[in-house]
Amino acid sequence: TQLLEQSPQFLSIQEGENLTVYCNSSSVFSSLQWYRQEPGEGPVLLVTVVTGGEVKKLKRLTFQFGDARKDSSLHITAAQTGDTGLYLCAGAPSGYSTLTFGKGTMLLVSP
Amino acid sequence: ETGVTQTPRHLVMGMTNKKSLKCEQHLGHNAMYWYKQSAKKPLELMFVYSLEERVENNSVPSRFSPECPNSSHLFLHLHTLQPEDSALYLCASSQNLGRVVGSPLHFGNGTRLTVT
Repeated sequence: TQLLEQSPQFLSIQEGENLTVYCNSSSVFSSLQWYRQEPGEGPVLLVTVVTGGEVKKLKRLTFQFGDARKDSSLHITAAQTGDTGLYLCAGAPSGYSTLTFGKGTMLLVSP
Repeated sequence: ETGVTQTPRHLVMGMTNKKSLKCEQHLGHNAMYWYKQSAKKPLELMFVYSLEERVENNSVPSRFSPECPNSSHLFLHLHTLQPEDSALYLCASSQNLGRVVGSPLHFGNGTRLTVT
């Protein structure tokens, strides 16, 4: 059983479209992190959300942490080809110290 | 040079070979990690070192042997690997095992390993 379920697994869209990807769990997390991994590179941290209900914005990217701290979403407005990559969510369930990762959402943005 | 550097970027080895992966971090962090990334699977944590002591070993086969001579360097020694060990091996570092919010993982660009 996967601790962090990400959906969809794969998303292919045109430039300019909006999209939302999800990270869900039955466990409570003290915080969740979102990473983006571009082809041929390692994952890079985008944001950490800590408080239930928290919303953080990073230019065209909006991250939300669920009220119960069990899920998170990432919304991208007016996607660009540079947004292409694997989006990973990661968190440490309450009482654990090391991060667990979801399988990721592979996003392909075409011109 | 800054960040986390991994060498080599690509490695092809036979099942009877012995090779080593190298990782170096220039961020002043005190924890280092090895992860395995396979297609359609989540990142798998293999080993964690904190202050040069191994603090976690997630049931990794003994054909993988880590070494952390100091807080800036991490090695993964490989011997008698199997084809299913082919994957991207990522090194990462963090401060205080990532227990403090705002101390995320910093990854290298990985070594793409192919076992023939």
